[in-house]
Amino acid sequence: AQTVTQSQPEMSVQEAETVTLSCTYDTSESDYYLFWYKQPPSRQMILVIRQEAYKQQNATENRFSVNFQKAAKSFSLKISDSQLGDAAMYFCAYRWKTSYDKVIFGPGTSLSVIP
Amino acid sequence: DSGVTQTPKHLITATGQRVTLRCSPRSGDLSVYWYQQSLDQGLQFLIQYYNGEERAKGNILERFSAQQFPDLHSELNLSSLELGDSALYFCASRDLGGEQFFGPGTRLTVL
Repeated sequence: AQTVTQSQPEMSVQEAETVTLSCTYDTSESDYYLFWYKQPPSRQMILVIRQEAYKQQNATENRFSVNFQKAAKSFSLKISDSQLGDAAMYFCAYRWKTSYDKVIFGPGTSLSVIP
Repeated sequence: DSGVTQTPKHLITATGQRVTLRCSPRSGDLSVYWYQQSLDQGLQFLIQYYNGEERAKGNILERFSAQQFPDLHSELNLSSLELGDSALYFCASRDLGGEQFFGPGTRLTVL
């Protein structure tokens, strides 16, 4: 069965510094989607970045980028120039790219930003 | 604002009761997903509908049921409520590219 693991329950970063959040997953599929979602204290789920497994190029959205290692089944999120507003829970998620349209979320990493 | 709406925002009820949570997807989106997030926990996928039909099922209890109506809004029905059902319930809709857009959630408190 597919699983998503985030081995860092909590992380902290100094403002303006860079932090990397880890995510590993297990699947036998060759094509799928991977996502990072941010959940600030408001509890709203906000999509940060997405990656399609067949695309080798790592996705980038402004200060957010991923390191997608398909063979290692690793999908880490790098946040550059961290800002106070980046403090949130971050969830890694996996979605099938088939008719079985289910999404699995990791347990989350709580990120604190230190001024 | 994701374009997904959920009502009510908050719901307080007693054990044994039944409640209905409502979700309207973004205009044009045919898929609706329901998730449960208990305190300090990740999201648990409950169920997904596509254009009125059930598409995928997760860890949804038998006391819970859902449906999607012809106008594509969806309702999640929770019955015989227990204290452990207290959680944040999210609805999300999905566009053709696979991206999910989450609603603001309904916070259910069972006393």
